[in-house]
Amino acid sequence: NAGVMQNPRHLVRRRGQEARLRCSPMKGHSHVYWYRQLPEEGLKFMVYLQKENIIDESGMPKERFSAEFPKEGPSILRIQQVVRGDSAAYFCASSPPGLAGDEQFFGPGTRLTVL
Amino acid sequence: GQQLNQSPQSMFIQEGEDVSMNCTSSSIFNTWLWYKQDPGEGPVLLIALYKAGELTSNGRLTAQFGITRKDSFLNISASIPSDVGIYFCAAYGGSGNTGKLIFGQGTTLQVKP
Repeated sequence: NAGVMQNPRHLVRRRGQEARLRCSPMKGHSHVYWYRQLPEEGLKFMVYLQKENIIDESGMPKERFSAEFPKEGPSILRIQQVVRGDSAAYFCASSPPGLAGDEQFFGPGTRLTVL
Repeated sequence: GQQLNQSPQSMFIQEGEDVSMNCTSSSIFNTWLWYKQDPGEGPVLLIALYKAGELTSNGRLTAQFGITRKDSFLNISASIPSDVGIYFCAAYGGSGNTGKLIFGQGTTLQVKP
């Protein structure tokens, strides 16, 4: 997973605050995916983005969650008014131009703790 | 919805033993991937399979894409302590899929020296 950068690695928020998670894909990659992992579970898809476009957000909760991948800069996953149930590891993955989903490479994750 | 059933959930083996784990689904997929995740890290891609029936090796690891496109297995031969971790199968390309990976629940592997 070398090359996909995520920050911060750890984030602590109190209930009601906002959380902003950042992801810089591997150089040359144009597809970005966000996944959420609860303790002792597999990863669950949240959203798939290309530059300035949301392609598939079928895994995103309907409220409080949003994602963007602007023309310049990293992809951002934003969680407003966090609740304890949002505590999880959030992983970003990227893949090269071409076939979506093919060989996704993951970042180290952001571990969100909501107090 | 689409889901992958991965087994076993956990394994505790002696160093030097071979390991086998598998994933099954009721859905058809076009690509199967196997990842390993160490504590506090993101998943690392081990093997990617793109064709039904394909058998692919990566060092001591061998994986196969089932002929029905509904299953895959991963074998690790002559296990060593650094094989410890959680192994996930993932699949992509079912009907209506736009690029998202579906993950299994993971197999936790512990190796006793």
